[in-house]
Amino acid sequence: DAKTTQPTSMDCAEGRAANLPCNHSTISGNEYVYWYRQIHSQGPQYIIHGLKNNETNEMASLIITEDRKSSTLILPHATLRDTAVYYCIVRVVPFYFGTGTSLTVIP
Amino acid sequence: EAGVVQSPRYKIIEKKQPVAFWCNPISGHNTLYWYRQNLGQGPELLIRYENEEAVDDSQLPKDRFSAERLKGVDSTLKIQPAELGDSAVYLCASSSQVWGEKTEAFFGQGTRLTVV
Repeated sequence: DAKTTQPTSMDCAEGRAANLPCNHSTISGNEYVYWYRQIHSQGPQYIIHGLKNNETNEMASLIITEDRKSSTLILPHATLRDTAVYYCIVRVVPFYFGTGTSLTVIP
Repeated sequence: EAGVVQSPRYKIIEKKQPVAFWCNPISGHNTLYWYRQNLGQGPELLIRYENEEAVDDSQLPKDRFSAERLKGVDSTLKIQPAELGDSAVYLCASSSQVWGEKTEAFFGQGTRLTVV
């Protein structure tokens, strides 16, 4: 199964870039990398996804290594509202979330 | 446009009682998912529907859990009878296609179930 490995927790200073790593060494060639986050007491929220190329949207940037075995989610200017659990998902069947990275943005 | 709507938001019941959760997906979304999230864990899939057909229910505890999606729109997840270990957040999500084929899934706020 294409499962992921993420650090359990990270801290980031407010206003700085938050770089969240994800290892997915068993990813298949046609599997997308998805990132979701879950703020306390809310449902997961979609952030970004990509296949091979780096992606950017209004929320974040996704950097995928050339061999696709790892990726990094970048929140360019973290705010207190970005405090959440961030999930990296590479296999959506059987829809495996894992435990994610708990990001705390510190004032 | 409204997102995925779930109700109730919170539910407290005694063990052995029945309980039901309701989900209204985003309009036009054919695929609907029910997840269960235990405290401190990521969501785990219980069942996936394509329109009104349950195409993946391998993780659904069928002795006490049941789900339906009549007319391929709203869905109901039921537990009967509830056990203490069923205390969790039950999340519903929907997507326009099977999630993973370049399409993201949208989640509701969830129903927090407490069994006492």
